[in-house]
Amino acid sequence: DADVTQTPRNRITKTGKRIMLECSQTKGHDRMYWYRQDPGLGLRLIYYSFDVKDINKGEISDGYSVSRQAQAKFSLSLESAIPNQTALYFCATSDPRQGRYNEQFFGPGTRLTVL
Amino acid sequence: AQTVTQSQPEMSVQEAETVTLSCTYDTSESDYYLFWYKQPPSRQMILVIRQEAYKQQNATENRFSVNFQKAAKSFSLKISDSQLGDAAMYFCARDNAGNMLTFGGGTRLMVKP
Repeated sequence: DADVTQTPRNRITKTGKRIMLECSQTKGHDRMYWYRQDPGLGLRLIYYSFDVKDINKGEISDGYSVSRQAQAKFSLSLESAIPNQTALYFCATSDPRQGRYNEQFFGPGTRLTVL
Repeated sequence: AQTVTQSQPEMSVQEAETVTLSCTYDTSESDYYLFWYKQPPSRQMILVIRQEAYKQQNATENRFSVNFQKAAKSFSLKISDSQLGDAAMYFCARDNAGNMLTFGGGTRLMVKP
C-alpha cells in the first residue's frame, strides 16, 4: 500500500467551484506539504505544515487554503477555482527526526483541470 | 528569491550511452542538501540521489552520479549506461533554511533505442 495517498487522482471542474484535494499518509511524519507543478516551472510550494497546529504559507498561496485535520491528513482547498489553477498537485511528507536532511516523500499527484 | 535553474528543457540519449543533466542554484547558506528527483510518465516523484553540501565527495547511486561544484553552485547528474526506463522528467532541488525544497523547472530526458 502507498505511504502517501491523494484523492482524487484526476478532477475536472468549472470556474467558480470549490474544490478540495485530500492527502493522507501512513508514514507517521509530522511535516506535510502541498506543491503545484506547471510545465517549465517545476514544483512550487503552496502551503506547508510542521505539525497539526502549525500551518504556513508557501511561495504561491493566493487562492488556496489548507486544513490539517490530523497528523496523517492535510487537505488543500480552492475556494473559487479559476483556469490558471489547472495544474498537477502533489502532497509530500518529511520526518523532522532526519534533522537537516529533508528528504520528502511524494504522493501520486492530482491532475486538476479548471474549465 | 533563491532559485534553482535547469537550463536544458529536453535532452536525448542513445540507449547504453552516458548523459549529463545540468543544474545551477543560488544560496547564501554554507550547509544544505541537493537532490535529483525523477518523474516518469506515472507522475510519481522518485528520489534518485542526494548530496550534502559539506561533503566534497560526489554522491553515487549505481548508474547515477553527481558532479557537485560548490564554489560554482553547480550540481549536475550523470546517468551512465542509459536504459529505456530512464526516460522521464528530472528535477533538481535544494533545501532552504526551514527545510523547504526549491525545484528547478525540469529536464525531459528521452532515451532512444
